Amino acid sequence: DQQVKQNSPSLSVQEGRISILNCDYTNSMFDYFLWYKKYPAEGPTFLISISSIKDKNEDGRFTVFLNKSAKHLSLHIVPSQPGDSAVYFCAASEDTDKLIFGTGTRLQVFP
Amino acid sequence: NAGVMQNPRHLVRRRGQEARLRCSPMKGHSHVYWYRQLPEEGLKFMVYLQKENIIDESGMPKERFSAEFPKEGPSILRIQQVVRGDSAAYFCASSPLVTTSTDTQYFGPGTRLTVL
Repeated sequence: DQQVKQNSPSLSVQEGRISILNCDYTNSMFDYFLWYKKYPAEGPTFLISISSIKDKNEDGRFTVFLNKSAKHLSLHIVPSQPGDSAVYFCAASEDTDKLIFGTGTRLQVFP
Repeated sequence: NAGVMQNPRHLVRRRGQEARLRCSPMKGHSHVYWYRQLPEEGLKFMVYLQKENIIDESGMPKERFSAEFPKEGPSILRIQQVVRGDSAAYFCASSPLVTTSTDTQYFGPGTRLTVL
């Protein structure tokens, strides 16, 4: 039972454009959502998070949007840079417990 | 301020041997989580520990796997009698004392276990 889903395994975006990564979840008890970025042979690096009481959180080039009624969140990166090329994981948790991860989206930003 | 430390970074074992993976949390963090990533998959939760206590081991296989986080020293994930299916990347994460619902987990670089 995949509670957190990232339906796009890969995304290719031109440098300077916006990257939009999507994530859907099924458990309405999730109250905290996070995005992690991962390079090969490294651990996930925390990017940005959002609490279920908010619908938007912004940090520099990264913005996360949460639509609770649709059980959907998205990560916007603008402008995209070649260094953003990595695998992005969406994760969710309920009441400060374990993180449930999606399967990841591989983002490639080309010049 | 050092991040989460894991060692070894790479571990090769033959079937039937034991694997011990170590994790030192970030300074000031008292919560440790272990996750496993199989090839081409996302990270899967295994176990959540505080000092000397296992809080949630719902993701841990019932046999051969154990974890501890002693009062002194790193957290240890132990896999006995390894099989080829145990080959994966094992990640440790830590978070500070939980006071709100917004404590982020910070990950180490992982240990890549290969079972021959």
